[in-house]
Amino acid sequence: GAGVSQTPSNKVTEKGKYVELRCDPISGHTALYWYRQSLGQGPEFLIYFQGTGAADDSGLPNDRFFAVRPEGSVSTLKIQRTERGDSAVYLCASSPPGAGTDTQYFGPGTRLTVL
Amino acid sequence: AQSVTQLGSHVSVSEGALVLLRCNYSSSVPPYLFWYVQYPNQGLQLLLKYTSAATLVKGINGFEAEFKKSETSFHLTKPSAHMSDAAEYFCAVSVLGGYQKVTFGIGTKLQVIP
Repeated sequence: GAGVSQTPSNKVTEKGKYVELRCDPISGHTALYWYRQSLGQGPEFLIYFQGTGAADDSGLPNDRFFAVRPEGSVSTLKIQRTERGDSAVYLCASSPPGAGTDTQYFGPGTRLTVL
Repeated sequence: AQSVTQLGSHVSVSEGALVLLRCNYSSSVPPYLFWYVQYPNQGLQLLLKYTSAATLVKGINGFEAEFKKSETSFHLTKPSAHMSDAAEYFCAVSVLGGYQKVTFGIGTKLQVIP
């Protein structure tokens, strides 16, 4: 079946601009996660959704970052007033219901470059 | 707080040689431990996971890892490296809390020399 998809695969923007990154989880997966992977680092947790609500947003670095999942499926990560330090690969993952410790299935990521 | 330390950001092995990628964890409660692999321009793929059952865990592509509580380690091994094993490998830890808040290591790039 289809895996987690993320669009766009690459995004180049200028400092100060607004960007949206989209994640389509695996159908039926209720849990959705966003991670950020900076160059030479492992992925860092940003936010976790269970259904439509953000159950844990403790990883969002500041209030320029926001994520939504209005219908409990597709999620959008929004970054306002982008800064060069936001350049990274943004990864999305989903996992099936009732799977507190089950596998997270990762998408290929969106590479964001802020000039 | 939970964390993992991967020893060696780059590891080179000859084709056919033993692969050993080291990972040590820190957790105040019994952890769940994972190894993920990332091929160039692809997403993370789960190799194997430890969730408090058998301490020796077998994964895909011939990889295995052993949970050693006394050493707080979860090293990844494969008896014989193949060229296709060249990738970046991430060790990760989470604790049971209703959902997986996974903390990743910085990764180890494995180079396989023909």
